[in-house]
Amino acid sequence: DAKTTQPPSMDCAEGRAANLPCNHSTISGNEYVYWYRQIHSQGPQYIIHGLKNNETNEMASLIITEDRKSSTLILPHATLRDTAVYYCIVRAHSGGSNYKLTFGKGTLLTVNP
Amino acid sequence: DTAVSQTPKYLVTQMGNDKSIKCEQNLGHDTMYWYKQDSKKFLKIMFSYNNKELIINETVPNRFSPKSPDKAHLNLHINSLELGDSAVYFCASSQDPRIPYEQYFGPGTRLTVT
Repeated sequence: DAKTTQPPSMDCAEGRAANLPCNHSTISGNEYVYWYRQIHSQGPQYIIHGLKNNETNEMASLIITEDRKSSTLILPHATLRDTAVYYCIVRAHSGGSNYKLTFGKGTLLTVNP
Repeated sequence: DTAVSQTPKYLVTQMGNDKSIKCEQNLGHDTMYWYKQDSKKFLKIMFSYNNKELIINETVPNRFSPKSPDKAHLNLHINSLELGDSAVYFCASSQDPRIPYEQYFGPGTRLTVT
């Protein structure tokens, strides 16, 4: 699996967009980029995933660069409840050995009032 | 309705004891997982079952034994508890083990071994 690099922490003002970067320079062609988050004392929560194209759902947007070596998770209007550790994970979409998620250290996003 | 539930939420016990953590999912998923999150907050997979069959078994001491009585349940039994077993244990489920992006996690069980 490709390794991901994320900043250990970021701050964002409430109501502003939060842009969380992730580097995955060794990503291969069949590997997807997934984002999860973990709010304090809770289990991880799936946010979004993508392969090449930008993706958007009710929670966030995922922007993947054309060379796919990096991506950005965007929370368009951050709220205090978005304070959490955000994990960027690169996984192949299928394959017998690819059942598991490998979590790194993630980025602690703190949304300030 | 809670999608993935775990019991107990907190578990405090002494070294050497045997304890179990239960997990249930009502999502109709075929695959369930156990993860361990240690004091440094690293989240690592331990086991995974698909249709009651073990498909992932990471390097976990034999003292840890998962049991899946049916697709909706995956319990974790731990023998001879050690101090290093203190952690938060998360159960998760997914519809298809080949598509890891849709894993649903439980609230966690905080195990403290004294």
